[in-house]
Amino acid sequence: GQQVMQIPQYQHVQEGEDFTTYCNSSTTLSNIQWYKQRPGGHPVFLIQLVKSGEVKKQKRLTFQFGEAKKNSSLHITATQTTDVGTYFCAGHGSGNTGKLIFGQGTTLQVKP
Amino acid sequence: NAGVMQNPRHLVRRRGQEARLRCSPMKGHSHVYWYRQLPEEGLKFMVYLQKENIIDESGMPKERFSAEFPKEGPSILRIQQVVRGDSAAYFCASSRRTGRQETQYFGPGTRLLVL
Repeated sequence: GQQVMQIPQYQHVQEGEDFTTYCNSSTTLSNIQWYKQRPGGHPVFLIQLVKSGEVKKQKRLTFQFGEAKKNSSLHITATQTTDVGTYFCAGHGSGNTGKLIFGQGTTLQVKP
Repeated sequence: NAGVMQNPRHLVRRRGQEARLRCSPMKGHSHVYWYRQLPEEGLKFMVYLQKENIIDESGMPKERFSAEFPKEGPSILRIQQVVRGDSAAYFCASSRRTGRQETQYFGPGTRLLVL
């Protein structure tokens, strides 16, 4: 079945350093969504990418969707302690039911 | 403008008991999805429901698990005869419509602990 993989699983950075998480799908995606989950919290929607090669920015966060629509990345510039959490990418499963296939997530720790 | 609501937030059950998890979607949303998150793992799709209909239950275990979304009231995920392996966070999400462009909004989750 369709799989979505993320690396790395964990990342520890010093505050102010950059951070990147990568997402790869076993199949071509119609779109990809990114979520952030704080410790003990629930996934919060960040963004959706739809077009091949699309790049979107939200302040210090930059999201990219690969040309083949099988991979994506999230880059955070100059991390802050408020960036701590687990970042998930998710793609839709086959069919049109809206079912999301999540990656395993990348947990970011930021040392002040 | 309430978001997705789930209750209880924490639930403790002994092996063999039943667990009932409730989810009220956002106002105006008629599509509900249930996901399970084991410790240190991503979310796994379980079931997708519309009012009075199960649309996709491909992620539901074949036994002990059931879900419903009645005409009136919240969606319910029911786990019978719980075992320790059922301990997890169960998240409900809702969307206005179905389809690949729709954003799903997640509730706070129910953390189930089976003793």
